[in-house]
Amino acid sequence: AQSVTQLGSHVSVSEGALVLLRCNYSSSVPPYLFWYVQYPNQGLQLLLKYTTGATLVKGINGFEAEFKKSETSFHLTKPSAHMSDAAEYFCAVTNTGNQFYFGTGTSLTVIP
Amino acid sequence: DAGVIQSPRHEVTEMGQEVTLRCKPISGHNSLFWYRQTMMRGLELLIYFNNNVPIDDSGMPEDRFSAKMPNASFSTLKIQPSEPRDSAVYFCADREGAGNTIYFGEGSWLTVV
Repeated sequence: AQSVTQLGSHVSVSEGALVLLRCNYSSSVPPYLFWYVQYPNQGLQLLLKYTTGATLVKGINGFEAEFKKSETSFHLTKPSAHMSDAAEYFCAVTNTGNQFYFGTGTSLTVIP
Repeated sequence: DAGVIQSPRHEVTEMGQEVTLRCKPISGHNSLFWYRQTMMRGLELLIYFNNNVPIDDSGMPEDRFSAKMPNASFSTLKIQPSEPRDSAVYFCADREGAGNTIYFGEGSWLTVV
């Protein structure tokens, strides 16, 4: 069975500070991992994904995530937060492309 | 490409009424998913189709919910009769062939009063 745990349902950072959103997964087979972002009243937009190869993946808007198999983690980071980064972030895992397991989401607030 | 297109974006209806939500997937993407998002339960997979065939509908809450995909470019999610607890955002998403990424529509905001 697969699952995703996002630590921290709410994260607040100051503008310009490091953003770190945590995601741990459980999977019995090599996973595909994703981060999606949801802005208010919008759908989920793909930020980045890991399938195979390089474990550090870069996404849109300056975000990146590192797949760490030993830690079963796929944390999302951004060196410097911008006001426009305020949104809900979802981590997801799949191994088949059919069943996607989403975390419960982390709401990011950016303080001016 | 316009992406996954959903309609209506917002609907307010009275309890007991039939609700039909529509989805047009991206051309050539042959898997389609319906999700429901609520504050209490987060994102829930209701049903998904491969090549217009329903593969897993175990997430459909009850018989009041039904989904169809009559062709590769159109799907509906119907609730009949609707209840206040059905109030949620319903997302349609699709996946390209053997790809492993799903793409979401903008969602349909349903309020049942």
